[in-house]
Amino acid sequence: ETGVTQTPRHLVMGMTNKKSLKCEQHLGHNAMYWYKQSAKKPLELMFVYSLEERVENNSVPSRFSPECPNSSHLFLHLHTLQPEDSALYLCASSQDPQGSGNTQYFGPGTRLTVL
Amino acid sequence: GQNIDQPTEMTATEGAIVQINCTYQTSGFNGLFWYQQHAGEAPTFLSYNVLDGLEEKGRFSSFLSRSKGYSYLLLKELQMKDSASYLCAVRTPPPSTGANNLFFGTGTRLTVIP
Repeated sequence: ETGVTQTPRHLVMGMTNKKSLKCEQHLGHNAMYWYKQSAKKPLELMFVYSLEERVENNSVPSRFSPECPNSSHLFLHLHTLQPEDSALYLCASSQDPQGSGNTQYFGPGTRLTVL
Repeated sequence: GQNIDQPTEMTATEGAIVQINCTYQTSGFNGLFWYQQHAGEAPTFLSYNVLDGLEEKGRFSSFLSRSKGYSYLLLKELQMKDSASYLCAVRTPPPSTGANNLFFGTGTRLTVIP
């Protein structure tokens, strides 16, 4: 069983749809992250949650709305996306977001296509 | 801004040694990570350096020079399964009460040929 799971693995949506991405970590970590990975671009950090509180929001458009109901679950709610939002969305978790040595463990990602 | 550079692509022969370089210019430094990512899969943790020097872990080693803003990942006895992208990532201290940020390079796609 992998430590971080994500569903769905693939998602195709229209620009007017509303969908949600789900992430679950089974590692007992306290911090969870959303990243966007576009072709030929570096991984971009979108949101960070520590103990269910958002501690980082890197100027992400409001059409992306995160939710962290508990330390094991993280959602990314999507609404009126644009075609340029098509990318691989990766979830990660770590023991502590402020600890200098804490490694982030990634889920397999959701491949999102916006038509 | 944060700048992390690594070569886009490399090719090496099975059984050989390959070195993947990473240079960085960041506002602060709190450690450097290397991840391996096979196509369509999650990045997986390979190594972490925070002090200067070489960290060895089996066939993989990672080196850091903080004064030069430079790291490399060394892969020995290459195997076909080592064909993947290798991501260099630098952790910077939190700006205030926020989290450490992790900034990634674009990744180096390594192809191992027979």
